[in-house]
Amino acid sequence: SQQGEEDPQALSIQEGENATMNCSYKTSINNLQWYRQNSGRGLVHLILIRSNEREKHSGRLRVTLDTSKKSSSLLITASRAADTASYFCATGMDSNYQLIWGAGTKLIIKP
Amino acid sequence: KAGVTQTPRYLIKTRGQQVTLSCSPISGHRSVSWYQQTPGQGLQFLFEYFSETQRNKGNFPGRFSGRQFSNSRSEMNVSTLELGDSALYLCASSSTGTSYAMQETQYFGPGTRLLVL
Repeated sequence: SQQGEEDPQALSIQEGENATMNCSYKTSINNLQWYRQNSGRGLVHLILIRSNEREKHSGRLRVTLDTSKKSSSLLITASRAADTASYFCATGMDSNYQLIWGAGTKLIIKP
Repeated sequence: KAGVTQTPRYLIKTRGQQVTLSCSPISGHRSVSWYQQTPGQGLQFLFEYFSETQRNKGNFPGRFSGRQFSNSRSEMNVSTLELGDSALYLCASSSTGTSYAMQETQYFGPGTRLLVL
């Protein structure tokens, strides 16, 4: 079963608005990463946050991690049409060498 | 540095055939991982190669195999293709040398879209 589950599955907002998507996981993690995928192409790494970190920023992106709730959120501020993509969270755990991927959130930015 | 490259980008095969996909990682990256992505199953890990050795393997049948060359380029082979093998195959490389390289930042190629008829 998947470790990370994104919520919502799909999100449609107006350009300029903020977009928030969430990722929940089941077991303790070493780190959590967010990736973006544009229309069936390769994934692009956005942010990696480690288990001892609570918040990280990168440009218009803000990621928070709450290990007590086993959840993370990705906030995209002032969204643009180019942000239209699927966003995936992936978790790294001690018990498994590989990343475990969620099913993704499909984000649509309407002009 | 050039990014991860994958060839070919698109491929159409028929059931029973075999296929070989190629991946060139970012220069200096020695960890190369392969993933299969389908709408129904999402992103599934196939295997990871490091210094020409398969270091980790996912839960795929033996029809799926791979190898890595001394220059870190990697190939993935699927024999006796089935309709269910239609997918986007992604390759990713990582600069980390540890056993947990796959848990660090992964740099993905554009993928090879395989259609099996």
